[in-house]
Amino acid sequence: QVQLVQSGAEVKKPGASVKVSCKASGYTFTNYGISWVRQAPGQGLEWMGWVSAYNAKTNYAQKVQGRVTLTTDTSTSTAYMELRSLRSDDTAVYYCARTYCSGGSCYKPEFDYWGQGTLVTVSS
Amino acid sequence: QSALTQPASVSGSPGQSITISCTATSSDVGSYNLVSWYQQHPGKAPKLIIYEDIKRPSGVSDRFSGSKSGNTASLTISGLQAEDEADYYCCSYAGTSTFTWVFGGGTKLTVL
Repeated sequence: QVQLVQSGAEVKKPGASVKVSCKASGYTFTNYGISWVRQAPGQGLEWMGWVSAYNAKTNYAQKVQGRVTLTTDTSTSTAYMELRSLRSDDTAVYYCARTYCSGGSCYKPEFDYWGQGTLVTVSS
Repeated sequence: QSALTQPASVSGSPGQSITISCTATSSDVGSYNLVSWYQQHPGKAPKLIIYEDIKRPSGVSDRFSGSKSGNTASLTISGLQAEDEADYYCCSYAGTSTFTWVFGGGTKLTVL
C-alpha cells in the first residue's frame, strides 16, 4: 500500500532553516511527483510547490519562491523540503502529498496520498 | 494569479444534501478540468474526495459528487452523516500556469 512517512517535529529560531523529509513506499517513486502543502494553526491549506521524482523539475508558489527548495533522492524514495530564513508565520504543519506527473511535469492539482504531517515551530 | 473563494461555513441536518461552492477569479480556470476537493477532519491529513472536477477516487462514498459551471466548481454531499462534519477545500491551478496551484480558503461543514 502507498505510504508517505514524514520526519518528526522541529523547533527552530527565526532566521534558521529546516529540512523535512518524506519517505515514500508502495509505488514506483519516479512515476510521480511530491507536492508540499502547509497549514498554519487554525488556518487553511497552502500549496507550496511540487517536485518531479522523474527529473527533479520543480515549481514553487510565489509566496515561498526563493526561500524553499524541493528535492528528491530516488535511491531512497525520499523527498525533501528545505525552508530558509524562517519567520514566525512559517509555523505550521507541513504535509507531503503524492502528485501525478507526466513527462517530468506535474500539471494536475491532485494529491491522492498524504504524509502524516510535520509540525514546524518557529520561535525565539 | 487566480484565487478560489469558498463559503466559510455551511450546515445541514442528517439525511439532507448540501453544496459547497468554489469560485475562481480567473476566467481561465473554467476551461480546464482541474478542480479537486479534499476533506479534512481535525488533526488529520486531508483526503482526496473529488478530482478532475467530477471524478471520485476508489473507496470514496458516492454521496460525494462534484460539478462545475463556468468558473464555479461545486461539491455536493447527499444523505448527510455525522462523520461528514469536517473542513472541505477545493484546489485548482492559479490561472497563469497549469503548473502553479492554489487552495480555496476552506469551508467548515457542521452537521446539526
